[in-house]
Amino acid sequence: GAVVSQHPSWVICKSGTSVKIECRSLDFQATTMFWYRQFPKQSLMLMATSNEGSKATYEQGVEKDKFLINHASLTLSTLTVTSAHPEDSSFYICSARRQSPNYEQYFGPGTRLTVT
Amino acid sequence: GESVGLHLPTLSVQEGDNSIINCAYSNSASDYFIWYKQESGKGPQFIIDIRSNMDKRQGQRVTVLLNKTVKHLSLQIAATQPGDSAVYFCAENANFNKFYFGSGTKLNVKP
Repeated sequence: GAVVSQHPSWVICKSGTSVKIECRSLDFQATTMFWYRQFPKQSLMLMATSNEGSKATYEQGVEKDKFLINHASLTLSTLTVTSAHPEDSSFYICSARRQSPNYEQYFGPGTRLTVT
Repeated sequence: GESVGLHLPTLSVQEGDNSIINCAYSNSASDYFIWYKQESGKGPQFIIDIRSNMDKRQGQRVTVLLNKTVKHLSLQIAATQPGDSAVYFCAENANFNKFYFGSGTKLNVKP
């Protein structure tokens, strides 16, 4: 099956700093990637849709200036959490959609962010 | 986002029994649904999908049923095994291929 990777798998940072998370589709091209956030014992909440070569579209309530998304190529999207605060600590998961009409999405393993 | 919810937050079954996990969705225009399995500390894993032009789809040990009339779908796992213990989410395709997830059901398989 299709493989999506994330880097890093976990990161600890100090409050006020910025953290970049990478999402890569390893064996297919993805014009669209999605970023989710998941708090403990909760479901995945869609944050934004990342479109290759264009601006990301954010879900209601998600601060676009705080969560910067860049989708510079067909295999890479990045999420940068700017001026991170402890409440940003969460599990961040990306998914990549194949360039096909079947809507199949493949999820990355997730990145655990802890802000101290 | 769309509202996708589950009836049972936790389900405990005996190894070897069949499991049924339920999910309700709110958008009658949704035309594609996926069930995911998530183990602790990992990303969701695709289990099975179904389109709105189908009522039933079978995979290996799993079956998804879709009832569009009441906007309900279920995941049936046959002969449940300890390795099936995880949280299961249904996800609804709503508008431009965005998926919204339900709240999840934790499946505990007792040996």
